[in-house]
Amino acid sequence: EVQLVESGGGLVQPGRSLRLSCSVTGFTFGDYAMSWVRQAPGKGLEWVGFITSKAYGGTTEYAASVKGRLTISRDDSKSIAYLQMNSLKIEDTAVYYCTREGAGPGTYYNWYWGQGTLVSVSS
Amino acid sequence: EIVLTQSPATLSLSPGERATLSCRASQSVSSYLAWYQQKPGQAPSLLIYDASNRATGIPARFSGSGSGTDFTLTISSLEPEDFAVYYCQQRYNWPVTFGGGTKVEIK
Repeated sequence: EVQLVESGGGLVQPGRSLRLSCSVTGFTFGDYAMSWVRQAPGKGLEWVGFITSKAYGGTTEYAASVKGRLTISRDDSKSIAYLQMNSLKIEDTAVYYCTREGAGPGTYYNWYWGQGTLVSVSS
Repeated sequence: EIVLTQSPATLSLSPGERATLSCRASQSVSSYLAWYQQKPGQAPSLLIYDASNRATGIPARFSGSGSGTDFTLTISSLEPEDFAVYYCQQRYNWPVTFGGGTKVEIK
């Protein structure tokens, strides 16, 4: 069974940093791309960013709203994806979902989702 | 950035009725469009990918159609568990974008 478990959320002041982790089981982590999607309280879904598998270069893509501040990385030896969040803003307050994508181009959809972790940015 | 516009924002229907949800893209996304369902307090889940393919385990009452800029998600006969929010998403190019969602509520 595919499982994704996010951790690392919490309350943080504007301008500070936070790192979210996504631990996975039930599939060969290194074979798949991963992504992060967020949802502000009472709002819709917003795509945050994406990282391919190493087979496709470990390439990353980001939403314009987070580019330069949020960074996605992966540790295939630990089956963990990370979202490093720097220079946090109040508008980054949201539930952050980790998702498993497909293995390669043409299969990139959010096939599996974690339950999410809440990040609250407030002074 | 490709903008996806979903309509209506809210759909009020009774169990057993047919639901038709629309998603319009600001430019062609070919067939690289997905639909997700989100129930209150839960993570979203993938329903439809490549515009018309059901994800594993999705009942046949859910169907997707369209290509280019106009897409439709149809629920042929609403079950109680289908009342939720539905989002479309394009994967044609970066950045990935979602529509604003359609809430299907019980009338």
